[in-house]
This record gives sequence, structure tokens and C-alpha cells, in this order.
Amino acid sequence: GENVEQHPSTLSVQEGDSAVIKCTYSDSASNYFPWYKQELGKRPQLIIDIRSNVGEKKDQRIAVTLNKTAKHFSLHITETQPEDSAVYFCAAGGIQGAQKLVFGQGTRLTINP
Amino acid sequence: GAVVSQHPSWVICKSGTSVKIECRSLDFQATTMFWYRQFPKQSLMLMATSNEGSKATYEQGVEKDKFLINHASLTLSTLTVTSAHPEDSSFYICSASGLAYEQYFGPGTRLTVT
Repeated sequence: GENVEQHPSTLSVQEGDSAVIKCTYSDSASNYFPWYKQELGKRPQLIIDIRSNVGEKKDQRIAVTLNKTAKHFSLHITETQPEDSAVYFCAAGGIQGAQKLVFGQGTRLTINP
Repeated sequence: GAVVSQHPSWVICKSGTSVKIECRSLDFQATTMFWYRQFPKQSLMLMATSNEGSKATYEQGVEKDKFLINHASLTLSTLTVTSAHPEDSSFYICSASGLAYEQYFGPGTRLTVT
């Protein structure tokens, strides 16, 4: 089955700097890679996703890149702000109907003012 | 966007009792719902996948007789934790998916078994 590894487990950056979180996956059949942001005690919220037919996707300060050959994808947050502090999860799954997602271990991002 | 609700948001029960958690898709029809468990400072672990009108598919290591899942309609799935024990205390989150592949999460239910 699919296995997703996420690094780093914790990340601390100065406000205004960029943050990068990386994930690798094992199943070459996976073709859908969402990123979720979870604040303490709340639900995970989808912040950006990418499908395997695309190498990069950007939404304002957030971007995701995908390298299918190497089976890794990354989340990039630029111009970080204190409200970006949260736990971020990557996941891998399929797009044929509703398929299960396998989540990474999570990254606790702290933005220092 | 798609809205998923969960009830209750938190529950405290005594060891040996059963607890039912509801997950509802409020503005779309969820052909598939997923149930996750999340322990403090850990990731989301999928427990089972349920499709409307059929039996749930459980992940390896999840006891189907202990975690009963019912997906009776396109907007409602329930998870019943039977004979709950302190080790079942956790944050239970559902997600729902319609015709597309995106999953939308409920707000979660914090279960504490005393």
C-alpha cells in the first residue's frame, strides 16, 4: 500500500521568510496530492492540491510542486505570517472516484514575529 | 465550499458504554465517507471507508465489531464505538467526498472514556 513520509516534523521560521515542507510517496499509482492545514483542536482544511498531470500549482502565497519521477512533492509558503502557524499534512491518493488518502506525519510550523 | 458537520463535538462516557458519532454532509451528496482517528500530536489514521448503502471497508488492525459504521443515506454516516475503553479516547474525524475526489472534513469529535 501507499506510504507517505513528511519532513521536517517541526519548522520554525521568521515572519516574512519562506517555509518549505517536503513529502515522498511510494505508490506510483497515486495521482492526487492535497495539503491540509490543521489548527489545534480543529478540522483539517484543504489549502492546495495538485494532480499528477501538473508539475506546479500556485495560489497567492502558497505553491505546491510535484516530481512524479522522484515521487516527491513539496509545499512552499512565501512571505509567512503569524496566522500561518499550524500543523500541515500532506497526503496522497487517487482521482478515480472517492479514494482514500494516506497522510504524512505532519509538520508543526511556527512563525516567529 | 462543501460543508460537513459532526455531532457531538465532544463526549465523555464511562468505560463499557457505547457512543455514537454522526457525520453529515450539509450541502452535497456524499457517495463516500471516511472515518479517521487522530491521537494528540499525531497524524490522521484512516479507520474505514463507507459507501452509501454498502458495508464499510475497514483498515487493517481496526476492529469492525468495535467500531460500527453505518452509511444509510447520501448525507449521513454514523460511527458507534461499542464497549468503549480509555484507550479509545481520541479525536475522531469524518470526511465526505462527492462525485469528485476532494475530501472535506468534519470538525471532529473528541471522545474521552473514563
